[in-house]
Amino acid sequence: QKEVEQNSGPLSVPEGAIASLNCTYSDRVSQSFFWYRQYSGKSPELIMSIYSNGDKEDGRFTAQLNKASQYVSLLIRDSQPSDSATYLCAAAAGGTSYGKLTFGQGTILTVHP
Amino acid sequence: KAGVTQTPRYLIKTRGQQVTLSCSPISGHRSVSWYQQTPGQGLQFLFEYFSETQRNKGNFPGRFSGRQFSNSRSEMNVSTLELGDSALYLCASSLLETGGSEAFFGQGTRLTVV
Repeated sequence: QKEVEQNSGPLSVPEGAIASLNCTYSDRVSQSFFWYRQYSGKSPELIMSIYSNGDKEDGRFTAQLNKASQYVSLLIRDSQPSDSATYLCAAAAGGTSYGKLTFGQGTILTVHP
Repeated sequence: KAGVTQTPRYLIKTRGQQVTLSCSPISGHRSVSWYQQTPGQGLQFLFEYFSETQRNKGNFPGRFSGRQFSNSRSEMNVSTLELGDSALYLCASSLLETGGSEAFFGQGTRLTVV
């Protein structure tokens, strides 16, 4: 079983819709969670971080964390074609995990006009 | 504020050779981590350095090594290159000393081993 799993995708949504990306993790000591966006041929770009249960909103992005269910999600409202990319979920144990992020395999999102 | 800078951007090497990649973190960031990204395995953690000390290491063979300098710049070295080492190598820097903090990636070095 992979430590961080993402919905396999690819996910295709029309412009203006809500895109929902999901991630589960197996290591209960994970404390910090991140969403990265990676365009084809580029490096990952941090778009959201979340550390506590509940929702965290930043512009069109909302991250949700449920530690009891070991579940993290990212909602993208009013999706734009420029949001088309691979979205990577990452988890870190905190404390002495020192730099180690465990990534999911990524979900490819396509937003079509 | 300048981001994480990696050099070179592209490299082509022959099996058996060695290679050194360089990473300059965001100013003020002292934690530098290295990752390997391949289509099959995704992003995998190699190691992390803080104040010139390796604090954490992933499951890679000893051919993969690194170091960090007093100005927080870091290098990673891969010796006796194998075809399977072809990948995008990413460096990330973090501001906080503790684990689990936000990490910002450089543009990466695309290594091709032929």
